[in-house]
Amino acid sequence: GESVGLHLPTLSVQEGDNSIINCAYSNSASDYFIWYKQESGKGPQFIIDIRSNMDKRQGQRVTVLLNKTVKHLSLQIAATQPGDSAVYFCAFSYRGSSASKIIFGSGTRLSIRP
Amino acid sequence: EPEVTQTPSHQVTQMGQEVILRCVPISNHLYFYWYRQILGQKVEFLVSFYNNEISEKSEIFDDQFSVERPDGSNFTLKIRSTKLEDSAMYFCASSVRQITNTEAFFGQGTRLTVV
Repeated sequence: GESVGLHLPTLSVQEGDNSIINCAYSNSASDYFIWYKQESGKGPQFIIDIRSNMDKRQGQRVTVLLNKTVKHLSLQIAATQPGDSAVYFCAFSYRGSSASKIIFGSGTRLSIRP
Repeated sequence: EPEVTQTPSHQVTQMGQEVILRCVPISNHLYFYWYRQILGQKVEFLVSFYNNEISEKSEIFDDQFSVERPDGSNFTLKIRSTKLEDSAMYFCASSVRQITNTEAFFGQGTRLTVV
């Protein structure tokens, strides 16, 4: 079925430490996975994506890991900064009969301790 | 940097009234979407639109909902007779290719409050 779940609804991290946000999915047919960041009062903002033929992709201070065997996705943020405070959503593609859509997970709130 | 713009930022309407939420997608994008987010919950897919027709819609997108691209720049979501449970943030998004292949850009959202 279509579902994306998160292991933890909130995560508190010391400024400067690395953050790891986890996500589980159930649709084996998904081939595109995305992490979005949503700051208060704003729309989701694309962070990084990864395709199912990869298991790791790096961006600026962020790394996404994909484990298709256990249907697990994670987002690692290096040297977490106050500006990283937000809700993070994992999302995955779902290909319908004629088009496609992105299904969002329920979100993890990341808070930064000074 | 190009962005998706949505108006109004906040709309208050009485139950049973019609509302139209407006979006201006990024100019060279071809795929358009509406999502909604009930307070404190996850972002839910409503509808995707391409080549002047609906590509896909969710169970939420019932007969009370419609979308239109009335001109070359606007993309609207109409709710014909609003219900209390329609209160949510509504996000418009656009992408240059299908959302499953490329980054989608989201607008800042319209907060709809039905009273």
